Amino acid sequence: ELKVEQNPLFLSMQEGKNYTIYCNYSTTSDRLYWYRQDPGKSLESLFVLLSNGAVKQEGRLMASLDTKARLSTLHITAAVHDLSATYFCAVDYFGNEKLTFGTGTRLTIIP
Amino acid sequence: DAEITQSPRHKITETGRQVTLACHQTWNHNNMFWYRQDLGHGLRLIHYSYGVHDTNKGEVSDGYSVSRSNTEDLPLTLESAASSQTSVYFCASSDNQETQYFGPGTRLLVL
Repeated sequence: ELKVEQNPLFLSMQEGKNYTIYCNYSTTSDRLYWYRQDPGKSLESLFVLLSNGAVKQEGRLMASLDTKARLSTLHITAAVHDLSATYFCAVDYFGNEKLTFGTGTRLTIIP
Repeated sequence: DAEITQSPRHKITETGRQVTLACHQTWNHNNMFWYRQDLGHGLRLIHYSYGVHDTNKGEVSDGYSVSRSNTEDLPLTLESAASSQTSVYFCASSDNQETQYFGPGTRLLVL
């Protein structure tokens, strides 16, 4: 069965702190996506990771992919309130864009 | 600017009725997708299309159908709406393994 597991599912953190969201997947893939969703809104693309060792950064967010460990991480540096949202990872297992999504991590940044 | 739109944004219907949700994109993307989002499940793929006259079943296709008569549109039809189909529906499009761009979503309530 193709699974994508995110942890934690809920995360409450203080402004200024660092934290990491983990995305584990069940079988080989080298295509992984991160999305952000604000409450009641659509999904916004954050990162596309297309090979082992890929690392991408945008502002306070950095994503990486380890295909051997079947693991992607989304690292948040010096969190600010604007980063409060739900973050999803999604895996393209067969290179055909049939994405399997994780259940999401709901991040709340506390002032 | 290019965009992807969905209509209606909110819909209430009765069990057994046929419902069609519209999705329209102006990016000229070949690939289009329909997902449903439910608490605890993340997003799940319903149907997808790689081009005109091409349609394929996704993970949760039972009770749904799509047709692709042009590049811009992929309408999703619920043949006989059931309460289990109460959900938020997202349409997405992409240009061959780039990230998928999501529409604003349609909230559907089946009574």
